[in-house]
Amino acid sequence: DIQLTQSPSFLSASVGDRVTITCRASQGINSHLAWYQQKPGKAPKLLIYAASTLQSGVPSRFSGSGSGTEFTLTISSLQPEDFATYCCQQLASYPLTFGGGTKVEIK
Amino acid sequence: EVQLVQSGAEAKKPGESLKISCKGSGYSFTSYWIGWVRQMPGKGLEWMGIIYPGDSDTRYSPSFQGQVTISADKSISTAYLQWGSLRASDTAMYYCARRAASTEEFDYWGLGTLVTVSS
Repeated sequence: DIQLTQSPSFLSASVGDRVTITCRASQGINSHLAWYQQKPGKAPKLLIYAASTLQSGVPSRFSGSGSGTEFTLTISSLQPEDFATYCCQQLASYPLTFGGGTKVEIK
Repeated sequence: EVQLVQSGAEAKKPGESLKISCKGSGYSFTSYWIGWVRQMPGKGLEWMGIIYPGDSDTRYSPSFQGQVTISADKSISTAYLQWGSLRASDTAMYYCARRAASTEEFDYWGLGTLVTVSS
């Protein structure tokens, strides 16, 4: 199985901050990676797919980059509605594993 | 509009069986994989397995193989997740999600079904 390691697992930030979350894969997955946002009590929401493609309707302050084994999700200017948990998922091979998640909280 | 409508919350006892559902609408149900994802209380997302309703091709995570059964009835555009004998450790929120056709991410999600197993 491909393991995904996210860092940090917890992040405290202020509105307007630039935030970067990293997802590392245990083996190369090309660009077969997606990022999701999940708020408490809600289903996950797709933000980024194919490592860097913004899902329709997602604000442009979100961006993704990387390929192979190292990926990043960046929020250029954190907004109040962005405080949530972010999770990566590899889509290269079964089982389609998720990272452990990064909780972004208000400083 | 694509929608995945999941069945309601369930409260069961250990040893009981259960089948929860996920009904797709607004798209060609037989042309997209449907996956199931577990989220235990306060924990992260776990990929359980996936089914292609067109031909019922099914893949399981090794962690869930033999523990659950994923099926689909394409005549009513519905996917299922079932347990033969529930355990307390099955207490969790279960999400179904549609896998995009070409790029393969989960682009639409159901709202989740909360399963509580307690004696």
